[in-house]
Amino acid sequence: TQLLEQSPQFLSIQEGENLTVYCNSSSVFSSLQWYRQEPGEGPVLLVTVVTGGEVKKLKRLTFQFGDARKDSSLHITAAQPGDTGLYLCAGAQPDSSYKLIFGSGTRLLVRP
Amino acid sequence: DAGVTQSPTHLIKTRGQQVTLRCSPKSGHDTVSWYQQALGQGPQFIFQYYEEEERQRGNFPDRFSGHQFPNYSSELNVNALLLGDSALYLCASRRSGKTEAFFGQGTRLTVV
Repeated sequence: TQLLEQSPQFLSIQEGENLTVYCNSSSVFSSLQWYRQEPGEGPVLLVTVVTGGEVKKLKRLTFQFGDARKDSSLHITAAQPGDTGLYLCAGAQPDSSYKLIFGSGTRLLVRP
Repeated sequence: DAGVTQSPTHLIKTRGQQVTLRCSPKSGHDTVSWYQQALGQGPQFIFQYYEEEERQRGNFPDRFSGHQFPNYSSELNVNALLLGDSALYLCASRRSGKTEAFFGQGTRLTVV
Protein backbone atom coordinates (compact mmCIF):
# COMPACT_ATOMS: atom_id res chain seq x y z
CA THR A 1 0.00 0.00 0.00
CA GLN A 2 1.42 3.37 -0.99
CA LEU A 3 1.48 5.98 1.74
CA LEU A 4 2.50 9.62 1.79
CA GLU A 5 3.58 11.10 5.09
CA GLN A 6 3.28 14.86 5.30
CA SER A 7 4.91 17.03 7.96
CA PRO A 8 4.37 19.06 9.94
CA GLN A 9 0.63 18.58 10.45
CA PHE A 10 0.18 22.11 11.74
CA LEU A 11 2.28 25.24 11.44
CA SER A 12 1.64 28.66 12.97
CA ILE A 13 4.10 31.35 11.98
CA GLN A 14 4.46 35.12 11.90
CA GLU A 15 4.09 37.06 8.68
CA GLY A 16 7.45 37.35 6.93
CA GLU A 17 8.87 34.06 8.17
CA ASN A 18 9.97 31.20 5.92
CA LEU A 19 8.69 27.63 6.15
CA THR A 20 9.10 24.22 4.56
CA VAL A 21 6.55 21.42 4.30
CA TYR A 22 7.72 17.87 3.61
CA CYS A 23 6.07 14.96 1.86
CA ASN A 24 7.75 11.54 2.13
CA SER A 25 7.08 8.03 0.91
CA SER A 26 8.85 4.72 0.40
CA SER A 27 7.09 4.38 -2.97
CA VAL A 28 7.93 5.86 -6.35
CA PHE A 29 5.36 8.13 -7.98
CA SER A 30 5.01 9.12 -11.63
CA SER A 31 4.44 12.71 -10.51
CA LEU A 32 3.64 14.67 -7.41
CA GLN A 33 1.07 17.41 -7.13
CA TRP A 34 0.66 20.09 -4.50
CA TYR A 35 -2.77 21.49 -3.70
CA ARG A 36 -4.10 24.18 -1.43
CA GLN A 37 -7.55 23.78 0.09
CA GLU A 38 -9.78 26.28 1.85
CA PRO A 39 -12.41 25.08 4.38
CA GLY A 40 -15.43 23.50 2.67
CA GLU A 41 -13.94 23.81 -0.81
CA GLY A 42 -12.12 21.50 -3.20
CA PRO A 43 -8.32 21.38 -3.49
CA VAL A 44 -6.82 23.86 -5.96
CA LEU A 45 -3.83 22.63 -7.93
CA LEU A 46 -0.67 24.67 -7.30
CA VAL A 47 1.95 22.69 -9.20
CA THR A 48 2.83 19.31 -10.70
CA VAL A 49 6.40 18.00 -10.60
CA VAL A 50 7.28 15.08 -12.82
CA THR A 51 11.03 14.66 -13.18
CA GLY A 52 13.28 13.51 -10.33
CA GLY A 53 15.19 16.51 -8.97
CA GLU A 54 12.81 18.97 -10.59
CA VAL A 55 12.39 22.38 -8.98
CA LYS A 56 9.48 24.69 -9.79
CA LYS A 57 8.84 28.18 -8.52
CA LEU A 58 5.49 29.91 -8.17
CA LYS A 59 6.15 33.44 -6.89
CA ARG A 60 7.24 32.92 -3.26
CA LEU A 61 6.60 29.15 -3.35
CA THR A 62 9.34 26.70 -4.34
CA PHE A 63 8.51 23.05 -4.99
CA GLN A 64 11.05 20.26 -5.29
CA PHE A 65 10.70 16.63 -6.33
CA GLY A 66 13.22 14.20 -4.90
CA ASP A 67 15.76 12.57 -7.19
CA ALA A 68 14.16 9.15 -6.64
CA ARG A 69 10.63 10.55 -7.09
CA LYS A 70 9.62 9.38 -3.61
CA ASP A 71 9.52 12.69 -1.76
CA SER A 72 8.86 16.37 -2.23
CA SER A 73 9.05 19.66 -0.39
CA LEU A 74 7.26 22.98 -0.50
CA HIS A 75 9.15 26.06 0.68
CA ILE A 76 7.39 29.39 1.23
CA THR A 77 9.50 32.53 1.51
CA ALA A 78 8.26 35.54 3.47
CA ALA A 79 4.88 34.03 4.27
CA GLN A 80 1.83 36.28 4.15
CA PRO A 81 -1.60 35.92 5.83
CA GLY A 82 -3.04 35.10 2.40
CA ASP A 83 -0.94 31.90 2.40
CA THR A 84 -3.06 30.52 5.25
CA GLY A 85 -4.75 27.25 4.30
CA LEU A 86 -4.43 23.47 4.08
CA TYR A 87 -1.58 22.30 1.88
CA LEU A 88 -1.90 18.78 0.45
CA CYS A 89 0.65 16.74 -1.45
CA ALA A 90 -0.58 13.95 -3.72
CA GLY A 91 1.48 11.33 -5.51
CA ALA A 92 0.24 9.89 -8.80
CA GLN A 93 0.41 6.09 -8.91
CA PRO A 94 2.91 4.94 -11.55
CA ASP A 95 0.41 3.12 -13.74
CA SER A 96 -2.10 4.27 -16.33
CA SER A 97 -4.66 5.12 -13.65
CA TYR A 98 -2.54 7.94 -12.15
CA LYS A 99 -4.63 7.42 -9.02
CA LEU A 100 -3.69 10.05 -6.43
CA ILE A 101 -2.42 9.11 -3.00
CA PHE A 102 -2.80 12.06 -0.64
CA GLY A 103 -0.88 13.05 2.43
CA SER A 104 -2.89 14.07 5.50
CA GLY A 105 -2.14 17.75 4.87
CA THR A 106 -0.36 20.63 6.57
CA ARG A 107 -2.55 23.29 8.07
CA LEU A 108 -0.71 26.63 7.83
CA LEU A 109 -1.67 29.72 9.80
CA VAL A 110 0.22 32.93 9.04
CA ARG A 111 -0.37 35.56 11.72
CA PRO A 112 -0.24 39.25 10.72
CA ASP B 1 -13.72 27.66 -19.54
CA ALA B 2 -15.67 26.09 -16.71
CA GLY B 3 -13.69 23.96 -14.37
CA VAL B 4 -14.96 20.83 -12.66
CA THR B 5 -18.48 21.38 -11.36
CA GLN B 6 -20.28 19.29 -8.77
CA SER B 7 -23.85 19.21 -7.56
CA PRO B 8 -25.35 19.57 -5.10
CA THR B 9 -22.97 21.54 -2.85
CA HIS B 10 -24.60 20.35 0.35
CA LEU B 11 -26.86 17.43 1.18
CA ILE B 12 -28.41 16.02 4.33
CA LYS B 13 -29.64 12.42 4.27
CA THR B 14 -30.99 9.98 6.82
CA ARG B 15 -29.17 6.77 7.69
CA GLY B 16 -30.24 3.96 5.34
CA GLN B 17 -31.16 6.26 2.47
CA GLN B 18 -29.50 6.43 -0.93
CA VAL B 19 -27.76 9.42 -2.49
CA THR B 20 -26.55 10.44 -5.97
CA LEU B 21 -23.85 13.04 -6.50
CA ARG B 22 -23.03 14.54 -9.88
CA CYS B 23 -19.89 15.81 -11.58
CA SER B 24 -19.13 17.57 -14.86
CA PRO B 25 -15.45 17.40 -15.81
CA LYS B 26 -13.29 20.25 -17.03
CA SER B 27 -13.56 20.83 -20.77
CA GLY B 28 -11.29 18.47 -22.69
CA HIS B 29 -11.01 15.98 -19.83
CA ASP B 30 -12.24 12.42 -20.26
CA THR B 31 -11.26 10.71 -17.00
CA VAL B 32 -13.15 11.26 -13.76
CA SER B 33 -12.21 10.13 -10.26
CA TRP B 34 -14.11 10.37 -7.01
CA TYR B 35 -12.57 10.94 -3.59
CA GLN B 36 -13.94 10.99 -0.04
CA GLN B 37 -12.46 13.47 2.41
CA ALA B 38 -13.31 13.05 6.07
CA LEU B 39 -12.85 16.01 8.39
CA GLY B 40 -9.20 16.71 9.11
CA GLN B 41 -7.89 14.12 6.63
CA GLY B 42 -6.60 14.00 3.09
CA PRO B 43 -8.88 12.76 0.30
CA GLN B 44 -9.21 8.98 -0.17
CA PHE B 45 -9.64 7.49 -3.65
CA ILE B 46 -13.00 5.82 -4.27
CA PHE B 47 -12.89 4.93 -7.98
CA GLN B 48 -12.05 6.17 -11.45
CA TYR B 49 -14.03 6.17 -14.69
CA TYR B 50 -12.73 6.27 -18.23
CA GLU B 51 -14.61 5.42 -21.42
CA GLU B 52 -17.75 4.83 -19.32
CA GLU B 53 -16.13 2.00 -17.37
CA GLU B 54 -14.81 1.76 -13.83
CA ARG B 55 -11.05 1.40 -14.29
CA GLN B 56 -9.76 1.28 -10.74
CA ARG B 57 -11.33 1.10 -7.33
CA GLY B 58 -10.12 2.05 -3.87
CA ASN B 59 -10.92 0.32 -0.60
CA PHE B 60 -14.62 1.17 -0.49
CA PRO B 61 -17.58 -1.24 -0.15
CA ASP B 62 -19.96 -2.12 -2.95
CA ARG B 63 -22.46 0.38 -1.50
CA PHE B 64 -20.42 2.91 -3.45
CA SER B 65 -21.07 2.74 -7.17
CA GLY B 66 -20.73 5.07 -10.09
CA HIS B 67 -21.39 5.77 -13.69
CA GLN B 68 -19.85 7.76 -16.51
CA PHE B 69 -21.92 9.11 -19.37
CA PRO B 70 -20.93 9.58 -23.04
CA ASN B 71 -20.34 13.31 -22.38
CA TYR B 72 -17.77 12.28 -19.69
CA SER B 73 -19.90 13.51 -16.79
CA SER B 74 -20.17 11.15 -13.86
CA GLU B 75 -22.34 10.14 -10.93
CA LEU B 76 -21.46 8.68 -7.56
CA ASN B 77 -24.17 6.63 -5.84
CA VAL B 78 -24.06 5.54 -2.24
CA ASN B 79 -26.66 3.07 -0.95
CA ALA B 80 -27.67 2.25 2.63
CA LEU B 81 -26.02 5.35 4.03
CA LEU B 82 -24.15 5.10 7.31
CA LEU B 83 -23.29 7.90 9.71
CA GLY B 84 -19.64 7.32 8.80
CA ASP B 85 -20.35 8.24 5.18
CA SER B 86 -20.59 11.87 6.23
CA ALA B 87 -17.76 13.61 4.40
CA LEU B 88 -16.80 15.97 1.60
CA TYR B 89 -17.05 14.11 -1.70
CA LEU B 90 -14.70 15.39 -4.35
CA CYS B 91 -14.70 14.82 -8.08
CA ALA B 92 -11.47 15.21 -10.04
CA SER B 93 -11.00 15.19 -13.79
CA ARG B 94 -7.98 14.89 -16.03
CA ARG B 95 -7.09 14.25 -19.64
CA SER B 96 -6.17 10.61 -20.26
CA GLY B 97 -2.42 10.17 -20.34
CA LYS B 98 -1.86 13.23 -18.17
CA THR B 99 -1.30 13.12 -14.41
CA GLU B 100 -2.61 16.59 -13.53
CA ALA B 101 -5.98 16.35 -11.82
CA PHE B 102 -8.35 19.23 -11.20
CA PHE B 103 -10.94 19.11 -8.46
CA GLY B 104 -14.46 20.41 -8.10
CA GLN B 105 -15.66 22.32 -5.07
CA GLY B 106 -17.06 19.15 -3.54
CA THR B 107 -20.37 17.98 -2.13
CA ARG B 108 -20.70 18.08 1.63
CA LEU B 109 -22.80 15.04 2.63
CA THR B 110 -24.17 14.83 6.15
CA VAL B 111 -25.86 11.60 7.25
CA VAL B 112 -28.08 11.91 10.31
